[in-house]
Amino acid sequence: DSGVTQTPKHLITATGQRVTLRCSPRSGDLSVYWYQQSLDQGLQFLIHYYNGEERAKGNILERFSAQQFPDLHSELNLSSLELGDSALYFCASSVPSGLRTRNEQFFGPGTRLTVL
Amino acid sequence: AQSVTQPDIHITVSEGASLELRCNYSYGATPYLFWYVQSPGQGLQLLLKYFSGDTLVQGIKGFEAEFKRSQSSFNLRKPSVHWSDAAEYFCAVGTNTGNQFYFGTGTSLTVIP
Repeated sequence: DSGVTQTPKHLITATGQRVTLRCSPRSGDLSVYWYQQSLDQGLQFLIHYYNGEERAKGNILERFSAQQFPDLHSELNLSSLELGDSALYFCASSVPSGLRTRNEQFFGPGTRLTVL
Repeated sequence: AQSVTQPDIHITVSEGASLELRCNYSYGATPYLFWYVQSPGQGLQLLLKYFSGDTLVQGIKGFEAEFKRSQSSFNLRKPSVHWSDAAEYFCAVGTNTGNQFYFGTGTSLTVIP
């Protein structure tokens, strides 16, 4: 158990809908990263938040957005869903407060999104 | 641009045989390098990491990796593979700011009894 939790584990929805994925980082970790893993694209970095602020963006679509709240949990919002958005979405956390470098990521179990 | 290449999509080895998974990276500064393992339906588990110092790093489950700056490589090795090692293996490079990580496309390992 990495200490990172993600809810829900599975999500089935229809095209055009909007969903929210939730991530709780390890206790004390300030950074949260979101990834999308699909069969044809591998593990794609989406976005990174550090202590509530966006720090880096990867291959994140405009239909997707994220935020990190004061309690450090994060939510990934996916809207206008398309069939191609079906994937595993992982959250990872790192950087305990007071340790700025030596980042290593701890991954949650993922949320499997199926868009029908 | 930063990137990670795992040239072997799929590797099959016999139980008890040695294993080497290849990883090449492209990064302008000193990289932070990682190997992760993913079992089916699971999240990624950190096997080992390299930040600095000794270029041969030891990880969990009997794995080790060697950083070779001249070859921009960080290959993962295990002297004797167990059936439970069958999984997907990912190499990753992290920027020194910690803001972004780049993952390879993964190598799927099959272990034959």
